[in-house]
Amino acid sequence: GQNIDQPTEMTATEGAIVQINCTYQTSGFNGLFWYQQHAGEAPTFLSYNVLDGLEEKGRFSSFLSRSKGYSYLLLKELQMKDSASYLCAVTGLPGTYKYIFGTGTRLKVLA
Amino acid sequence: SAVISQKPSRDICQRGTSLTIQCQVDSQVTMMFWYRQQPGQSLTLIATANQGSEATYESGFVIDKFPISRPNLTFSTLTVSNMSPEDSSIYLCSVEDNDRTTDTQYFGPGTRLTVL
Repeated sequence: GQNIDQPTEMTATEGAIVQINCTYQTSGFNGLFWYQQHAGEAPTFLSYNVLDGLEEKGRFSSFLSRSKGYSYLLLKELQMKDSASYLCAVTGLPGTYKYIFGTGTRLKVLA
Repeated sequence: SAVISQKPSRDICQRGTSLTIQCQVDSQVTMMFWYRQQPGQSLTLIATANQGSEATYESGFVIDKFPISRPNLTFSTLTVSNMSPEDSSIYLCSVEDNDRTTDTQYFGPGTRLTVL
C-alpha cells in the first residue's frame, strides 16, 4: 500500500528553526510536494522536490532523499504566522497524476 | 497559478438531502480533483475529473454517492447525495498546473459542510 508519515504535532519558538520530516513508501514516485494550511483555509503550495537535495525558497527549504524515501521541510526564523498544518504529498503512482497526502503536521509557534 | 472559487463556502444541511458544490477556475485546466478533509485530518482524494470523460473514483467513494460533472475545462461540480452526519467535512477542489512538468496542484477555498 501507499504510506506517508509525518509527526502529528510540533511546537517551536518564534525566531527558531524547525524541521518537519516526511517519510514515504509508495509504488511510484514523480515528485514530493509541501503545502501549508492555516486553520479554515485551503492548502497553499510551498515547494516541490523531484531530485535529491535541498531546494531553498526564502525562509523555507525542502530536502529530498529518494533512496531513503525521506523529505523534510525546514522553516527558519519562525514567525507566529507560521503556525499552521504542513502537508507532505507524493505523486507518481503508476498510471495516475494524483497525490497521496501524508497525515499532516500541526506546527505551533510560541512567542 | 490558477484562481479557483467554490460555492457555497459553507452550508448546513439536513440528513437525507443532497448538496451540489461548484468549482470554477479562471483558466482552462485538464485535470481537476475533488478532496474531502474531515476535522483535524489530512486530505483524502474522492475522484479525478477530466473533461470529456467519466470521473475516476478512489476506493471507498462511489458515483451514486458523489456524482461529479465536468462539462468544460473551467468548471466542475461535486454532489454529496443522501447526506448523513458522517459526510460533515470540508470539500475541496483542486486543479493541476497547466505547466505539466511538475504536476503541482492548486486548491480552491473549500466548502464546509455540516449535516444535521
